[in-house]
Amino acid sequence: GQNIDQPTEMTATEGAIVQINCTYQTSGFNGLFWYQQHAGEAPTFLSYNVLDGLEEKGRFSSFLSRSKGYSYLLLKELQMKDSASYLCAVSVPGRGSTLGRLYFGRGTQLTVWP
Amino acid sequence: SQTIHQWPATLVQPVGSPLSLECTVEGTSNPNLYWYRQAAGRGLQLLFYSVGIGQISSEVPQNLSASRPQDRQFILSSKKLLLSDSGFYLCAWSVVRGQETQYFGPGTRLLVL
Repeated sequence: GQNIDQPTEMTATEGAIVQINCTYQTSGFNGLFWYQQHAGEAPTFLSYNVLDGLEEKGRFSSFLSRSKGYSYLLLKELQMKDSASYLCAVSVPGRGSTLGRLYFGRGTQLTVWP
Repeated sequence: SQTIHQWPATLVQPVGSPLSLECTVEGTSNPNLYWYRQAAGRGLQLLFYSVGIGQISSEVPQNLSASRPQDRQFILSSKKLLLSDSGFYLCAWSVVRGQETQYFGPGTRLLVL
């Protein structure tokens, strides 16, 4: 089976930096995605890593180590609006003509305090 | 630009009643389409995916079914709803072009009573 693990909850204060970790064990690997999901809304795409290293996008960065089955999402200069659930998802290739699919972790609920 | 629509936004249905949720995508051709369910406090569960018209793959056996009558239309159905069918239903699309990022629709919140 596929296993994606991330912490259930995290808290931080406005202006701080927070790192959300994700570990995975999957039968294949085609890339790792991070999504942000505000309460009652759909997930929105944040980042994609397929090679080892750090990808930076403004206040958000995502890191991948394929050999360790590990990724993290780094959020800098936290704002109240960053309070949301952050979903880690691994793309696993399909077999034969089967489409590859995403396996999601349960999400990390981040609360940002003033 | 691409947009994805889902309706209805919210639905309250009695146990045993039928269900039809619709998803349409605009601004892209031949997308891969997906149905997910997100139960309270749980992760996203893939229910069905489709790579083309009439081509449906099921991930989890259940009392739900899916159909793709047109290239950019994906429908989730049930003949008789169960209490356990309550949840947040999300439709997503992707284009096979290397990265295959999935983009989600606004979702339908279903409550079965």
